Amino acid sequence: EAQVTQNPRYLITVTGKKLTVTCSQNMNHEYMSWYRQDPGLGLRQIYYSMNVEVTDKGDVPEGYKVSRKEKRNFPLILESPSPNQTSLYFCASTNRGHNEQFFGPGTRLTVL
Amino acid sequence: QKEVEQDPGPLSVPEGAIVSLNCTYSNSAFQYFMWYRQYSRKGPELLMYTYSSGNKEDGRFTAQVDKSSKYISLFIRDSQPSDSATYLCAMRGTGFQKLVFGTGTRLLVSP
Repeated sequence: EAQVTQNPRYLITVTGKKLTVTCSQNMNHEYMSWYRQDPGLGLRQIYYSMNVEVTDKGDVPEGYKVSRKEKRNFPLILESPSPNQTSLYFCASTNRGHNEQFFGPGTRLTVL
Repeated sequence: QKEVEQDPGPLSVPEGAIVSLNCTYSNSAFQYFMWYRQYSRKGPELLMYTYSSGNKEDGRFTAQVDKSSKYISLFIRDSQPSDSATYLCAMRGTGFQKLVFGTGTRLLVSP
C-alpha cells in the first residue's frame, strides 16, 4: 500500500529534551516536506527536500532541523523543543510536477 | 494580510444541501488550485485540483477558479454526513512545488 508513515503519532515531552519525528514514504517520491498545523493558522511548511541531500527552509524553520540521507526518509529534529512548538505535525511527499501531496497521519506533539 | 484567506466555519448544513466553500488569494502568480479534505485525526487528502481558470467536476464535487477575482470555490451537491470534514484550499505557482494552504473550513452535515 502506497503511504507515508510517521512515528510517533503522539508525543509529550519537556522543554529542551531533543526529539526526532520520523517520516518514511514507499512511493519513490523525490519531494518531501514537513508542515505544522495550528488552529487559525492552517498548514505551514517547516522544511522541504527536493531530493537526497537537498533540503531548504520553508516558512517556519526556526527551532527545527531535517536531513535527507535516503530518498524514502525525512526525519524532523527538534534539538531543544519549546512550548511554542506544541502542534500537529505532518510529513508529505510528492513527485515533481504532480499536484497531489500525500500526507502522513500526523504527529501530535506537546512540549511542557 | 495572508496570501490565502478561508473562512474557518464551522458550516453546518442538513443532509442533501448544496455546500459552497470558498477561498480568496492575493498572489496573481498562483496557477494550480487544489482542495484537500481532512477528516478528524487524519492527514489531508487531495480532493480536486484545477489548473488556471475554469470549472472541474467530479461526481458531486465541482471546483471553480476565477483568476480575475482571485477567488476559488468548491461546491458539494447532495451533501452527505460522510462529507463532514475540514476542507482546505491550496494553491501554488508554476515549477516549484511549494503549496500555500488556507486555514480550512470545517463542514458539518447533519442527517
